[in-house]
Amino acid sequence: DAGVIQSPRHEVTEMGQEVTLRCKPISGHDYLFWYRQTMMRGLELLIYFNNNVPIDDSGMPEDRFSAKMPNASFSTLKIQPSEPRDSAVYFCASSPNRGLGETQYFGPGTRLLVL
Amino acid sequence: AQSVAQPEDQVNVAEGNPLTVKCTYSVSGNPYLFWYVQYPNRGLQFLLKYITGDNLVKGSYGFEAEFNKSQTSFHLKKPSALVSDSALYFCAVTYSSASKIIFGSGTRLSIRP
Repeated sequence: DAGVIQSPRHEVTEMGQEVTLRCKPISGHDYLFWYRQTMMRGLELLIYFNNNVPIDDSGMPEDRFSAKMPNASFSTLKIQPSEPRDSAVYFCASSPNRGLGETQYFGPGTRLLVL
Repeated sequence: AQSVAQPEDQVNVAEGNPLTVKCTYSVSGNPYLFWYVQYPNRGLQFLLKYITGDNLVKGSYGFEAEFNKSQTSFHLKKPSALVSDSALYFCAVTYSSASKIIFGSGTRLSIRP
């Protein structure tokens, strides 16, 4: 298996632009997680899905952030409009059934820079 | 409140010496504890976990961790450090009624030759 795939690996954009991050989880995994990592705040869980349904989005910082999972093999995290403080590394992770007690498998991350 | 703490931002160890990276937690109910490692420009990788059973857990790359319920700790250890162990290490906790996993702030481990 190729593992969790994220694209793009790097994104540079200007303030106000829309940013879309993409994730393909490991086949057969029922849980998908989006995280944000910054020096100041460490690793933060933004949202997670179970069987394509959003379960907890309490970590989403504000309405500018949205996430979707239209099918079991694809998820997006969108920021519209983007701001410089959104600059961070965004990770997607997936895990098999019983997500919380199971190991999470992380993608390589998307490094986002908003100018 | 549920939490996990890594009290050391950085740990420096000479190659060949034993290493310990500390983690303490606070949860209601039985904890599920994890250690992950992050190499530069990479995602987190699973090292080991404690769910139930034997308090000493062995994981990847020769690492092990001991669950201590009375001290609410789950310290990561390795008997002999390698330069290639230099990375950022995260402790994480969840529990039976939790809705999410909580990660610690991370400890940067630096192994000098």
